[in-house]
Amino acid sequence: GESVGLHLPTLSVQEGDNSIINCAYSNSASDYFIWYKQESGKGPQFIIDIRSNMDKRQGQRVTVLLNKTVKHLSLQIAATQPGDSAVYFCAERGSGNTPLVFGKGTRLSVIA
Amino acid sequence: GAGVSQSPSNKVTEKGKDVELRCDPISGHTALYWYRQSLGQGLEFLIYFQGNSAPDKSGLPSDRFSAERTGGSVSTLTIQRTQQEDSAVYLCASSLDSYTQYFGPGTRLTVL
Repeated sequence: GESVGLHLPTLSVQEGDNSIINCAYSNSASDYFIWYKQESGKGPQFIIDIRSNMDKRQGQRVTVLLNKTVKHLSLQIAATQPGDSAVYFCAERGSGNTPLVFGKGTRLSVIA
Repeated sequence: GAGVSQSPSNKVTEKGKDVELRCDPISGHTALYWYRQSLGQGLEFLIYFQGNSAPDKSGLPSDRFSAERTGGSVSTLTIQRTQQEDSAVYLCASSLDSYTQYFGPGTRLTVL
């Protein structure tokens, strides 16, 4: 079946370094992708999204890259801070009015 | 403005009992979603309401699970005859445009 997954379940980075979290998806019909951050005991928090007609989108310290050729999505966090420590989920939405499909998540640990 | 709220934040129940979980979406959001998150796992889609359309129930794991949305706003997820495998965090999200979903803090359900 269609699925969204992550290459790395855990990622440790030094404070101040850049972080890159990767995600593979398999539904070529997906038209929308989104990244969430989830801290312990909280619900997922929206970070950034991108539609399939784009290949890059930037926010504050975050950039999402979409490569439709290889069905790959990545989240880049610049100058990673301790407050960035959390589990990060990517999700995709198939074409039409369908629910998001979430990956299992990557835990980002920032080393001070 | 106010975000998505859920109640209770924690619920402990005995196997075989029924439970009701409540979600108050962001005012004006027409779409409402329920997800389940088991420990250390991603989000599992349960059910989706969009306006006055019939809900998408394709993610409900069994007929013990049901949900309703009254007046296009508040939603209640009901689990009948709870089982230990129902223990999880139940997350609700709402959306204005069926793209970006905003999540509540979740209800942690523990079935003894």
